This record gives sequence, C-alpha cells and structure tokens, in this order.
Amino acid sequence: QAGLTQPPSVSKVLRQTATLTCTGNSNNVGNQGAAWLQQHQGHPPTLLSYRNNNRPSGISERFSASRSGNTASLTITGLQPEDEADYYCSAWDNSLNAQVFGGGTKLTVL
Amino acid sequence: QVQLVESGGGVVQPGMSLRLSCAASGFTFSNYGMHWVRQAAGKGLEWVALISSDVKTKFYGDSVKGRFSISRDNFKNTLYLQMNSLRTEDTAVYFCARGVEGAPDYWGQGTLVTVSS
Repeated sequence: QAGLTQPPSVSKVLRQTATLTCTGNSNNVGNQGAAWLQQHQGHPPTLLSYRNNNRPSGISERFSASRSGNTASLTITGLQPEDEADYYCSAWDNSLNAQVFGGGTKLTVL
Repeated sequence: QVQLVESGGGVVQPGMSLRLSCAASGFTFSNYGMHWVRQAAGKGLEWVALISSDVKTKFYGDSVKGRFSISRDNFKNTLYLQMNSLRTEDTAVYFCARGVEGAPDYWGQGTLVTVSS
C-alpha cells in the first residue's frame, strides 16, 4: 500500500519553529485530513493531532496542524529539547480501505 | 485512564503461528474501532489491521492479508491478532491502538515478535 511522503529529517535550533510536511492524495490526506504522532526512541507513539488540527487533551498548544489540498503540515513553535523525536503522519485511505502512514521525519533540535 | 496491554509475543520459526492479545481498560471498549500496527527495529510504523467496534468490519494491510486475522471480544475487553504462516519479515514490535476519527490515538507499549529459524 502506498504510504504518505515525509522528509526523512529536519534540523532546527532551540526555541525556533519547525514545520513538518506530509503529502498524500485525494483519497487520504486530501479527503479526511491527517493525524500526527510523536515517537521518542523506545516508546510507543503519542497522538498530537487528528483530522488536521484537533488536539487531544494534554497536548501542548505549541503543536498545531493544518492542511492544504493533499499536503498536511505540523508546526512546532518554541522548540524544546524534548521535541527531538520521530514524527509520523497518518490518514485513512478510503480507496485502499487502509490506514496509511508516512515514513516518518526525524526532528533534531540543535 | 486508557490502558492497552499487549501480550503473546515471542520467538517463532518461519511458517509457524502466534496469537497476540491486547487487554483494554479505562474506556468503553465496545465503542471503539481497534488497530494493530507494527514497527520493525529502526523502521517506521506499518499498519496491520483494523476491526470495527461492532466486529462486523475488518481491514488488513496488503503484507498480511490472507495470513493474519484480527478479532475482538467485547465482553472480555480484549483485542486479538492471529498470525499464521509467519515470515522473517513479520519480525517487529506489534502495537495495539484505539481508533478515533481516522487515527489511532492511545497505544499500548507493544509486544515483540521475532520470526527466525
């Protein structure tokens, strides 16, 4: 199953803003939006947002998501050391009837 | 609070079978679709299967279709994954996750499945 496309890595300086992207198609991201998950090494993923910018309780407002067409974005403001992690986007594909994931972006905070 | 606890992982030889379980608590299990997602060492997340809250609908990833079967017992608040004809490429940590509005939200800690001769 075709996955979503994410850049493999992004590096940003402490306290700056990082924007991660995720490209799909009209059957997944373009249809129902994307979810974003954060995963620290050795831990399960944590949902940061779903259906573009719905944040679960307990998730910092520094994380915000948006979508333009078939591309979803996650913006992280005021980068902190603990934001260094792998970030995955995901969406339900209603043509494949499958949950598709991006390959993940490794965010490094310098 | 929401808790998902996987069990049943282990080391098996290629061609053998294994059944994973996921015990759920802290929410009304029968109201939610449930996913299995796996992650090979050093790799990204790969979706495995989804079962609807009412058990009527099941979907599978291409790589496991015809070999894996997802099921659930809403009385026991437990999700299952029956894995048959295992291959070395099925080696991964298997997570169960609750499904909400097109995304898995809460995840368990995972159980490791190693397929090796």
